[in-house]
Amino acid sequence: EIVLTQSPGTLSLSPGERATLSCRASQSFNSSYFAWYQQKPGQAPRLLIYGASSRATGIPDRFSGSGSGTDFTLTISSLQAEDVAVYYCQQYYSTPPTFGQGTKVEIK
Amino acid sequence: QVQLQESGPGLVKPSETLSLTCTVSGGSISTYYWTWIRQPPGKGLEWIGNIYHSGRTDHNPSLKSRVSMSVDTSNNQFSLKVSSVTAADTAVYYCARERGTSTWLFDYWGLGTLVTVSS
Repeated sequence: EIVLTQSPGTLSLSPGERATLSCRASQSFNSSYFAWYQQKPGQAPRLLIYGASSRATGIPDRFSGSGSGTDFTLTISSLQAEDVAVYYCQQYYSTPPTFGQGTKVEIK
Repeated sequence: QVQLQESGPGLVKPSETLSLTCTVSGGSISTYYWTWIRQPPGKGLEWIGNIYHSGRTDHNPSLKSRVSMSVDTSNNQFSLKVSSVTAADTAVYYCARERGTSTWLFDYWGLGTLVTVSS
């Protein structure tokens, strides 16, 4: 199975700062099958990005995704208080679909 | 707006079978794939398996043969059973819908239900 490793484990930034989250895959695959999810405390995950760079319905444009091969990035251009959450990357290229271990984003 | 709601016992004894049902509203279950995902307390997400309205299923090999799933199209529900549970099966269990054109991409989720395995 494809193992996804996220970094950093925790990201602590001030409001308005740029957040950069990384996800590295154990093997290369088609970026069309890569996604990011946001999970706020006590809530279910929400689809943010699919196909590595396409925003899901209703997602603000401060969220953007990029990457290919084995390295993918989620960028929050200007961090807002409501962005406090754990962010998970996911591959849906091969079975079983797998998730990274998560990056926690905090407000400093 | 599609909504999903998990239901089932919150406490299961070791070696017994965990049983959960997901009720879908706001849309028909007779399209898309429907999936189960779990999250142990303080940990990440693990895909358990999915089912199509035809009854076709797939599951994560990590759970070996302990998983079974079924679908009830007349009641817009699908169900999960995990047999021979241990404390390692304690988790929040989510049901979710797979986005129409992309298998294993999850666009609608239930709120989740905590299942604790303990005697």
